[in-house]
Amino acid sequence: KAGVTQTPRYLIKTRGQQVTLSCSPISGHRSVSWYQQTPGQGLQFLFEYFSETQRNKGNFPGRFSGRQFSNSRSEMNVSTLELGDSALYLCASSRGRTGGNYEQYFGPGTRLTVT
Amino acid sequence: GQQVMQIPQYQHVQEGEDFTTYCNSSTTLSNIQWYKQRPGGHPVFLIQLVKSGEVKKQKRLTFQFGEAKKNSSLHITATQTTDVGTYFCAGSSNDYKLSFGAGTTVTVRA
Repeated sequence: KAGVTQTPRYLIKTRGQQVTLSCSPISGHRSVSWYQQTPGQGLQFLFEYFSETQRNKGNFPGRFSGRQFSNSRSEMNVSTLELGDSALYLCASSRGRTGGNYEQYFGPGTRLTVT
Repeated sequence: GQQVMQIPQYQHVQEGEDFTTYCNSSTTLSNIQWYKQRPGGHPVFLIQLVKSGEVKKQKRLTFQFGEAKKNSSLHITATQTTDVGTYFCAGSSNDYKLSFGAGTTVTVRA
């Protein structure tokens, strides 16, 4: 079974630009969660999508948004990029709701650098 | 909101020694999961604990869930160089929100 894939793997953007990251979950998984990982803050939960609906949201500004398509693929968008948005963005898929006794499978991440 | 605290942040271990990393929650958890992230890699699921007082073993790794379901621990015996990485606990309450601890980064001296 193919794992979780994320594209692109690396991205360099300029402050003020916007970016879209993509995540393809494992086949049959309906939940996709997004996390921001930085050396100082660890793994910070962004949001969870399940059956095309955002089910949970972390403590991030409205510049961070996402969506999920009918095939469970998910995209995350960050508008008006700031230097502090530089991080590894990880998505994770699971068969059921995140936190609902289902293990999460993480993708390799997208390394975003904002200059 | 729910917070999961993990200690220590760093663990430097002599090869062959044992160590333990601890995870504490401010609220009662419905389950707790443990993940391992190798340097340059992504988190990989290790195990999930659901029952109060539950103990599970995976070879040299022993995972425990506290009686009050507010804390958990991971104990590794006879540490090997393959144990290098960051170990995260992640706890969930009934609201389906999974909160990750800050992680314990393990380095091993040969």
